[in-house]
Amino acid sequence: QKEVEQDPGPLSVPEGAIVSLNCTYSNSAFQYFMWYRQYSRKGPELLMYTYSSGNKEDGRFTAQVDKSSKYISLFIRDSQPSDSATYLCAMEERDTGRRALTFGSGTRLQVQP
Amino acid sequence: DAEITQSPRHKITETGRQVTLACHQTWNHNNMFWYRQDLGHGLRLIHYSYGVQDTNKGEVSDGYSVSRSNTEDLPLTLESAASSQTSVYFCASSDPGAHSSEQYFGPGTRLTVT
Repeated sequence: QKEVEQDPGPLSVPEGAIVSLNCTYSNSAFQYFMWYRQYSRKGPELLMYTYSSGNKEDGRFTAQVDKSSKYISLFIRDSQPSDSATYLCAMEERDTGRRALTFGSGTRLQVQP
Repeated sequence: DAEITQSPRHKITETGRQVTLACHQTWNHNNMFWYRQDLGHGLRLIHYSYGVQDTNKGEVSDGYSVSRSNTEDLPLTLESAASSQTSVYFCASSDPGAHSSEQYFGPGTRLTVT
């Protein structure tokens, strides 16, 4: 079983829809949670970053972390065609001193105009 | 502007050959990472370094090596290329003093082993 599970999609939605992307994880030592966005043939870029449980909002994007359920989500409101990309969740232990990230496999999102 | 670059962007090589992929960053970051990205697996960590002369194995390190002789560069060497190493390779760097652990990624190298 992978440490981080993510539905690969593809997920196709109409423009303006609310999108929900999710990851589950098994390592209870993960403390920092991130969402990266990756456009086709590009490197990933950090979109959202949260520490421990709770919500964080940035414009049309909201990241949620539920450590008790080992479940994280990214919501995109009023989705735009420019949001079409692969979204990767990533997690970090930090306390071990290991600053490397563990990534989910990514969900491909297509927003139809 | 600071950046992270990778070369070559595309490479075709034959089974058994030694291949080196270059990664250069001008962020002055101590932490550098190499990942490979394959369909269905996301990004998997190959090797990482926390500073000059420091290297560590990631989850898929077999057949790969790195060396860190300066802050800016972390070349990745495939000792004897195998078809299973056909993949897209990404280099990344991060600032160990930053709270967010944000990693800055290069544009990737698409490697094909025939």
